[in-house]
Amino acid sequence: QKEVEQNSGPLSVPEGAIASLNCTYSDRGSQSFFWYRQYSGKSPELIMFIYSNGDKEDGRFTAQLNKASQYVSLLIRDSQPSDSATYLCAVDTGRRALTFGSGTRLQVQP
Amino acid sequence: DTAVSQTPKYLVTQMGNDKSIKCEQNLGHDTMYWYKQDSKKFLKIMFSYNNKELIINETVPNRFSPKSPDKAHLNLHINSLELGDSAVYFCASSEDLTDTQYFGPGTRLTVL
Repeated sequence: QKEVEQNSGPLSVPEGAIASLNCTYSDRGSQSFFWYRQYSGKSPELIMFIYSNGDKEDGRFTAQLNKASQYVSLLIRDSQPSDSATYLCAVDTGRRALTFGSGTRLQVQP
Repeated sequence: DTAVSQTPKYLVTQMGNDKSIKCEQNLGHDTMYWYKQDSKKFLKIMFSYNNKELIINETVPNRFSPKSPDKAHLNLHINSLELGDSAVYFCASSEDLTDTQYFGPGTRLTVL
C-alpha cells in the first residue's frame, strides 16, 4: 500500500461546480497535511495545510481532515478554468519529511 | 526577490557526463530538499538537509551527491549521467522538517 494515495484523474467538472479531491494515507501517526497545486511546467505551490480534524476554509478552498478514516480532502467551490492543474496531497508520515501523493489532475470545463 | 532559486532551468547533456544543479533560498529556512519528478509527475524526495546536516538520503544511486556549503544553499552533483536520470529536479526549503515547503522553479534535466 502506498503511503499517500490519490486518484490520478483527470477529474472533470464544469465551471462553477464544486470539485472534490481526495487523498488517503497509511500512517495513523501523521500530524500534518498539505495541499499543493501544480500547473503544467511549473513548481508546486501551497494552497493550504490542515492539522486538526474537521474543516478548514480559505476563500473558495476547504480542506477536510478525518484522522480516524485516514483521509484528507480538498473542496474547490465555484471552480474556474484557472483551477485546472494537478493537485498534490502531502502528508507528514513520520519520516521527518513530507510524502507526496502522485496527484490528481483537475480539468474545469468552461 | 525569488524565494527559492535554481540554476540552470534547463540542462541537456550526454550520457556519462557529470553535472551540477545549484539551489539557493533567501527565506532564512533551516531545511532544504531535493526532489525528483518523473514523467508520470510523481514527486519523490531524494535528500533533505537540516542546518547543513544530511537528514534523509532516500534510495538514490550514489552517483547523486548533495552538498550544503551553508544553510541557504543546497547543490546536487550527478556523476555518470544515465538516460533514466532525465526528469525535473526541484529544490525546496522549509522552516523545519515537516513544515510547509516552498519550491524552486525546477531544473529540467535531459540526458541524451
